[in-house]
Amino acid sequence: QQPVQSPQAVILREGEDAVINCSSSKALYSVHWYRQKHGEAPVFLMILLKGGEQKGHEKISASFNEKKQQSSLYLTASQLSYSGTYFCGTSGANSKLTFGKGITLSVRP
Amino acid sequence: NAGVTQTPKFRILKIGQSMTLQCTQDMNHNYMYWYRQDPGMGLKLIYYSVGAGITDKGEVPNGYNVSRSTTEDFPLRLELAAPSQTSVYFCASSYSMGQGDQPQHFGDGTRLSIL
Repeated sequence: QQPVQSPQAVILREGEDAVINCSSSKALYSVHWYRQKHGEAPVFLMILLKGGEQKGHEKISASFNEKKQQSSLYLTASQLSYSGTYFCGTSGANSKLTFGKGITLSVRP
Repeated sequence: NAGVTQTPKFRILKIGQSMTLQCTQDMNHNYMYWYRQDPGMGLKLIYYSVGAGITDKGEVPNGYNVSRSTTEDFPLRLELAAPSQTSVYFCASSYSMGQGDQPQHFGDGTRLSIL
C-alpha cells in the first residue's frame, strides 16, 4: 500500500525549518527519502532501517518510529536549493519499495 | 562514472506503435527497476529484476514487457502503445538483498507521449 505523506505542500522562507511526514498502514522494515527537482531524476537523501535510528545529512535529518509506522524528515535552516518534491518510499521485510505521492517544498528568498 | 543511463530522453508515439526504452547501468548492481511517474501520483513500479535472467512484475505491469540478459541492461518494451501509457519513465538500480536496505540510483528519465 502507498504510504501517505503530509502536509501536501510546504512554502518556506530561506532559513526556516520544516518537517515532512510519511505514514504507512503496514509494518515497515525501511524508509527511503528522495528529493526530485522539476524535470530531473529523484536523488537519494537517506535510508532509515527498522530500529528507530535517526540519521542526518548536513542540515537534513530523519527519524523512523517503527511502532507508529512513521518517518519524519527534518529540514533546518532551509536553503533555496532545498526546493523540490520530496518522496518517501517504504518497504516491509520481504517487499519492494512503495513510494508516496510526494510533497512539494518551495523555499522563497 | 555514468551511473544509470536511459535512452531516448523524449519520444512521441502514435497509438498502436511499439518501442523499447533502453536502460543501462555501470555500477554492477544486481537489482534494476522500471517506474512510471504521472503528475501527482508518485512513482509506480512496473517491473523489476533481481539479476540477469530474472524478472518479476511490479504494481502496474500491464502493457509492458522486460528482459534482463546482462547485469548492465534492462530494456522496457511497449508493444501496443496506448494514450494511458503517456508518462515519464524512470529506470533505477541498486545493490540489494531485496529488503530495501540500499539506495536506488535513478536515470534521467524518458518522457513519452502517445498521441
